[in-house]
Amino acid sequence: NAGVMQNPRHLVRRRGQEARLRCSPMKGHSHVYWYRQLPEEGLKFMVYLQKENIIDESGMPKERFSAEFPKEGPSILRIQQVVRGDSAAYFCASSPLTGNRYNEQFFGPGTRLTVL
Amino acid sequence: ILNVEQSPQSLHVQEGDSTNFTCSFPSSNFYALHWYRWETAKSPEALFVMTLNGDEKKKGRISATLNTKEGYSYLYIKGSQPEDSATYLCAFKSGRGRRALTFGSGTRLQVQP
Repeated sequence: NAGVMQNPRHLVRRRGQEARLRCSPMKGHSHVYWYRQLPEEGLKFMVYLQKENIIDESGMPKERFSAEFPKEGPSILRIQQVVRGDSAAYFCASSPLTGNRYNEQFFGPGTRLTVL
Repeated sequence: ILNVEQSPQSLHVQEGDSTNFTCSFPSSNFYALHWYRWETAKSPEALFVMTLNGDEKKKGRISATLNTKEGYSYLYIKGSQPEDSATYLCAFKSGRGRRALTFGSGTRLQVQP
């Protein structure tokens, strides 16, 4: 039973390029959450998605960042026109639809984005 | 903005020492508190979900208590081992509809052999 998978594990981009981060939730999980960890900081919530729906994007920067979770395939976090301040570790977590009233989440290994 | 604080920020102990650290969270609108263990280069791993005031949970040498009235939880490690070295995160879930968790910054534990 594979856990949450994220790829790539490491991503290097130059300023102005686009970054695409992928997250495949655990089998049977239909909720996905994205978190960002800036250097020397904790995990900060960005966005919460169900299949084909964004439920809560209150932690997402208003510009350049977008997320989707299509009916088929992984969830994608897209950062357009990256800047140095976007360098961080991005973590994805998933949870099942039912039987999870306390919102236990299962984390992937993260994608470390470096912007040159 | 929900404020979840952990202390200390980091801790160095000797093998065999017992240790504890604190997570503070809003005492109003409490729904659940999670503890995660996060080893370097790995994924955060769930330790406990705590939901009721007075809850005590235990897993091996690690245990946790919860006080929802005053808004804190303690994590205890008895007889620390080098393999306990990790960052310990707590995460708060409020009773409001939003299902996202609010994480503290973590306590980084280093156990010296």
